[in-house]
Amino acid sequence: AAGVIQSPRHLIKEKRETATLKCYPIPRHDTVYWYQQGPGQDPQFLISFYEKMQSDKGSIPDRFSAQQFSDYHSELNMSSLELGDSALYFCASSLLVSDGYTFGSGTRLTVV
Amino acid sequence: GESVGLHLPTLSVQEGDNSIINCAYSNSASDYFIWYKQESGKGPQFIIDIRSNMDKRQGQRVTVLLNKTVKHLSLQIAATQPGDSAVYFCAEIISGGGADGLTFGKGTHLIIQP
Repeated sequence: AAGVIQSPRHLIKEKRETATLKCYPIPRHDTVYWYQQGPGQDPQFLISFYEKMQSDKGSIPDRFSAQQFSDYHSELNMSSLELGDSALYFCASSLLVSDGYTFGSGTRLTVV
Repeated sequence: GESVGLHLPTLSVQEGDNSIINCAYSNSASDYFIWYKQESGKGPQFIIDIRSNMDKRQGQRVTVLLNKTVKHLSLQIAATQPGDSAVYFCAEIISGGGADGLTFGKGTHLIIQP
């Protein structure tokens, strides 16, 4: 079965650079969620989109932005990267909130 | 603020034994709970969920119990296997509440001893 696809799997950036993470949800899933997971931490909700509109916002820094496109894939744009942005970034998708979320394998971002 | 948390950061059990992972939540408005398993370097994997109108739900080798009176959630894994070694998170959400981001607990690292 198709899963949530994230790219790239690994990304190394320098401080103050920008990064773009991509997420391709499970086909027919209309909601995408972004989470950030620091080392040894639980995932923290960043932002979500439903039918290409922002649905909910969590602890996403102002330096980050995201959008969902007409094909339902989503991109997380991160600017002015800081060392503390180094983390695993997960995307999840669902058809309904009550449907259980399916997570991708994540993008490991390292800021040096 | 209100959050979901797990009682133990690490739980070590013998292979073949049953394990119980606990979680306490504080938001009485939460009505949907999910247990996730996360292996190193991988995304959280859905294990089982339960809604607030239920107190027990069973899957394959796993059982989730919900005690709304004391706001407690547990995951029971029967006959643990080496492949069960992972970090387990509980997560909560108020479904239909307009806020659709999951709130995760701190995670319990389950270690299976041979």
